[in-house]
Amino acid sequence: KNEVEQSPQNLTAQEGEFITINCSYSVGISALHWLQQHPGGGIVSLFMLSSGKKKHGRLIATINIQEKHSSLHITASHPRDSAVYICAVSPPDKLIFGTGTRLQVFP
Amino acid sequence: EAGVAQSPRYKIIEKRQSVAFWCNPISGHATLYWYQQILGQGPKLLIQFQNNGVVDDSQLPKDRFSAERLKGVDSTLKIQPAKLEDSAVYLCASSLHFDRTYEQYFGPGTRLTVT
Repeated sequence: KNEVEQSPQNLTAQEGEFITINCSYSVGISALHWLQQHPGGGIVSLFMLSSGKKKHGRLIATINIQEKHSSLHITASHPRDSAVYICAVSPPDKLIFGTGTRLQVFP
Repeated sequence: EAGVAQSPRYKIIEKRQSVAFWCNPISGHATLYWYQQILGQGPKLLIQFQNNGVVDDSQLPKDRFSAERLKGVDSTLKIQPAKLEDSAVYLCASSLHFDRTYEQYFGPGTRLTVT
């Protein structure tokens, strides 16, 4: 079993829909990262969380340390949000990546 | 602020050939990472540098992969000889601090195809 599990693996949405991507992990961590990867490979860091909730524009990330679970929400989704969203966790000595959620938003 | 630069962006080689990738991190970032991302998987750490010293190279296939960061700034990752299973995106990232809880800034990646 992977130490970081994301769901769903693939997600299709219509423009304007509210989207949720989930991340569960099985190790103790000091921080959790949400990353966005567009076709072509480049990765952009969206959030780094150690507790609670963060919001940036239409993106909201939450984390529940006790339940070892985080969610990334996208409100009013747009075709430019189409990308792979990767959850990564930081135990003290390494960074463990999930396999990503591929999101496609259609007009 | 300029981001992490990588070159080339794409490379196609035949198996058993050699290839090298270059990375220039964000100015002032002491820590540099090389990751390998195979299609459909999350990135896998190959090597982590702190200035010009290696912090972690436990997952680097040292029989064919090598990396250096001689002056503690830019870095080169080499594969010699390449195998088909080396086809992947090679990502370089940098951060201010070696603690992996610090935010890492990623470059655009180099997509390698080995035929």
